Amino acid sequence: SQQGEEDPQALSIQEGENATMNCSYKTSINNLQWYRQNSGRGLVHLILIRSNEREKHSGRLRVTLDTSKKSSSLLITASRAADTASYFCATEAGGSYIPTFGRGTSLIVHP
Amino acid sequence: DTAVSQTPKYLVTQMGNDKSIKCEQNLGHDTMYWYKQDSKKFLKIMFSYNNKELIINETVPNRFSPKSPDKAHLNLHINSLELGDSAVYFCASSQGLDRGYGYTFGSGTRLTVV
Repeated sequence: SQQGEEDPQALSIQEGENATMNCSYKTSINNLQWYRQNSGRGLVHLILIRSNEREKHSGRLRVTLDTSKKSSSLLITASRAADTASYFCATEAGGSYIPTFGRGTSLIVHP
Repeated sequence: DTAVSQTPKYLVTQMGNDKSIKCEQNLGHDTMYWYKQDSKKFLKIMFSYNNKELIINETVPNRFSPKSPDKAHLNLHINSLELGDSAVYFCASSQGLDRGYGYTFGSGTRLTVV
């Protein structure tokens, strides 16, 4: 069954603004990953956060994980038009070690 | 250098035909996967191979048969194609099931069955 659910489904912002996307999941996880997918391309791994971590940074990306609420957020600061893409969270639950993806958040950054 | 490469990128074929999609990774990863992405962008795992052995086989019609001749290659053969098979198929690889690393995806094969 589908594990991660991203929210919102679509987000439209102006260049320079911050973009926040959320992911909720249902069962306990080993780790949670965020991916970006540009139109017509494959997914690109952004960040992996383990279940015992609360926050990770990578450049303009900040990911938080709240295991008590079974949720994660991806913050993109000072967004650029090139950040326009779909963003997916993927969770690895229990002993499966196979990531289960949500349906993604479609982000549009207007120049 | 292309890390995970899939061929073909586009495939248009008629119902009832048999087709194959090839995937190769040059990352030295142990595990490879096939995912199907539908028109609503939902990504669903189909198969996973670890060192040429099938370890995950989700509920997929047996018209779909993966083949891994070596750990760098995982091909997908589809028999008797149906309209509902139209989707984008992604190959991916990772360093191993229990290492918690991110996955590297190919650029996808857009299959259209007419």
